[in-house]
Amino acid sequence: DSGVTQTPKHLITATGQRVTLRCSPRSGDLSVYWYQQSLDQGLQFLIQYYNGEERAKGNILERFSAQQFPDLHSELNLSSLELGDSALYFCASSIYGAGNTQYFGPGTRLTVL
Amino acid sequence: KNEVEQSPQNLTAQEGEFITINCSYSVGISALHWLQQHPGGGIVSLFMLSSGKKKHGRLIATINIQEKHSSLHITASHPRDSAVYICAASYNNNDMRFGAGTRLTVKP
Repeated sequence: DSGVTQTPKHLITATGQRVTLRCSPRSGDLSVYWYQQSLDQGLQFLIQYYNGEERAKGNILERFSAQQFPDLHSELNLSSLELGDSALYFCASSIYGAGNTQYFGPGTRLTVL
Repeated sequence: KNEVEQSPQNLTAQEGEFITINCSYSVGISALHWLQQHPGGGIVSLFMLSSGKKKHGRLIATINIQEKHSSLHITASHPRDSAVYICAASYNNNDMRFGAGTRLTVKP
């Protein structure tokens, strides 16, 4: 158990809808990262937050947004969903930035029908 | 072209064999990560290194900064080592790029 929790585990929704994925980092970790893993693209970095502020952006679509709250949990919002958004979404946390070991959550499997 | 290249894509070994997975990256990095993804999907960080060599149990990771190359070695492989091993490079701007992964199957 990494200490990182993600909810929900599975999510099935329809095209055009909006969903919110939630992540609670390990106790004491200030950074949260979001990743997308799809069959055709592999793992891709989406975005990083550090102590409530956006620190780095990767291949995140404009339809996607994230935030980190004062209690350090983070939410990833996916809107106007398309079939191609179906993927595993992982959250990871680390004590500081990307130079530190990251601890991954169990992932949320999103299926868009 | 992926900035992080892994080889081989697939690897089948007999229990007890010594295994090597290779990773090359195309530009300067702040750290190189080796991850293990189990068949159930969970990801575990095995190593993070920026120079030299690290060892944890039967796993060894090395990095050569000049050659932009890293290797993950597994000694005395066991069926429970069967998983996908992923190399990832993190950069000073906190971006992270992943290799496509190596699917390892260790047969008893």
